Amino acid sequence: DAGITQSPRHKVTETGTPVTLRCHQTENHRYMYWYRQDPGHGLRLIHYSYGVKDTDKGEVSDGYSVSRSKTEDFLLTLESATSSQTSVYFCAISGDTNQPQHFGDGTRLSIL
Amino acid sequence: EDQVTQSPEALRLQEGESSSLNCSYTVSGLRGLFWYRQDPGKGPEFLFTLYSAGEEKEKERLKATLTKKESFLHITAPKPEDSATYLCAVQAYNQGGKLIFGQGTELSVKP
Repeated sequence: DAGITQSPRHKVTETGTPVTLRCHQTENHRYMYWYRQDPGHGLRLIHYSYGVKDTDKGEVSDGYSVSRSKTEDFLLTLESATSSQTSVYFCAISGDTNQPQHFGDGTRLSIL
Repeated sequence: EDQVTQSPEALRLQEGESSSLNCSYTVSGLRGLFWYRQDPGKGPEFLFTLYSAGEEKEKERLKATLTKKESFLHITAPKPEDSATYLCAVQAYNQGGKLIFGQGTELSVKP
């Protein structure tokens, strides 16, 4: 398995609270991605990073922010969580854009 | 708009009964088409990358093929351990490595 650790694995929180999800990699890969997976929508890209402090938006970025201060860590923050952000969140990594992405085992987030 | 459609949504097979999964796509300049396997409670596991029409890749009982409009994942003599959701994704040029995923095909193989 690619060295990807997501934390926490499960979280339940209330609407309006801030939430931060962490993705940690041990592969020294340049690219890191955050996706969400929902029934009926499949996996959708939220944000991605192409280097330390270099990030860009994906197709469903509203309500989310990211930060990457070290090569190995990519944080996803929900500043004020809403029920529509209840989902399973996956982190992925790749060495370059022409290499396959490898995924972590996800964080199941429930917002009540 | 780049788009991926997978069919069928669900497929039930008997052990040993071969079949195919379909992935139809529209993309502005295909850089690569990817197949993943996803088990319940786990992240997608990479299977294959296909880059050009006519290309084929094989791994055990799985074979992936690619045309200009679709890809097929052929499963020969499946076993119960092949049960999973199979995801197809496309990547376009000049998109920073972004993947556009289909909704997946849930495969169940009964002994």
